[in-house]
Amino acid sequence: DAKTTQPTSMDCAEGRAANLPCNHSTISGNEYVYWYRQIHSQGPQYIIHGLKNNETNEMASLIITEDRKSSTLILPHATLRDTAVYYCIASRGTGTASKLTFGTGTRLQVTL
Amino acid sequence: GAVVSQHPSWVICKSGTSVKIECRSLDFQATTMFWYRQFPKQSLMLMATSNEGSKATYEQGVEKDKFLINHASLTLSTLTVTSAHPEDSSFYICSARSFQGSNQPQHFGDGTRLSIL
Repeated sequence: DAKTTQPTSMDCAEGRAANLPCNHSTISGNEYVYWYRQIHSQGPQYIIHGLKNNETNEMASLIITEDRKSSTLILPHATLRDTAVYYCIASRGTGTASKLTFGTGTRLQVTL
Repeated sequence: GAVVSQHPSWVICKSGTSVKIECRSLDFQATTMFWYRQFPKQSLMLMATSNEGSKATYEQGVEKDKFLINHASLTLSTLTVTSAHPEDSSFYICSARSFQGSNQPQHFGDGTRLSIL
């Protein structure tokens, strides 16, 4: 799986959009970009994933650059409950190759 | 949808005993389940991948005789920590992936906090 690089931590004011960047410059053509988050003492929660097109669901939007070397997760209106560690992972998503390699992620702190 | 249940959520036991952790996919069938371990202030580390009806594939450095994995059905996988010792104390998390579609995401349970005295 391609290595991903994320900032260690970020702050965001409640109600504002949180934009979390991720670099994956060595991503291969068949690797998806997955985003998960982990709130303290819980299992990771799936947020969104994509291959090359931008994706949106009820939780977030995922913007992938045209060259696929980086992406941004957008939480449109951050709340205090969005405070968590966010992981960006590149994975082929098929069979045994669908294993996820977690890095250190970005610790997002949402403040009043 | 896509709910994964893990049981127990918390267990304390004496050194030398064996502990079994269950992971169930409640509303989907999971061909593949994964077991992770997370030590305090560290990221998740994959321990093993299990496919229904076949032997688990363990990551390098994980003792397969110590961490027994059984994936007997499409909705249940178990991890047994045999002869547990204090260094096995950790947060164990399972995930499950639906067999439908080639890029379905993994969904995680809420983890089991294991403390060995």
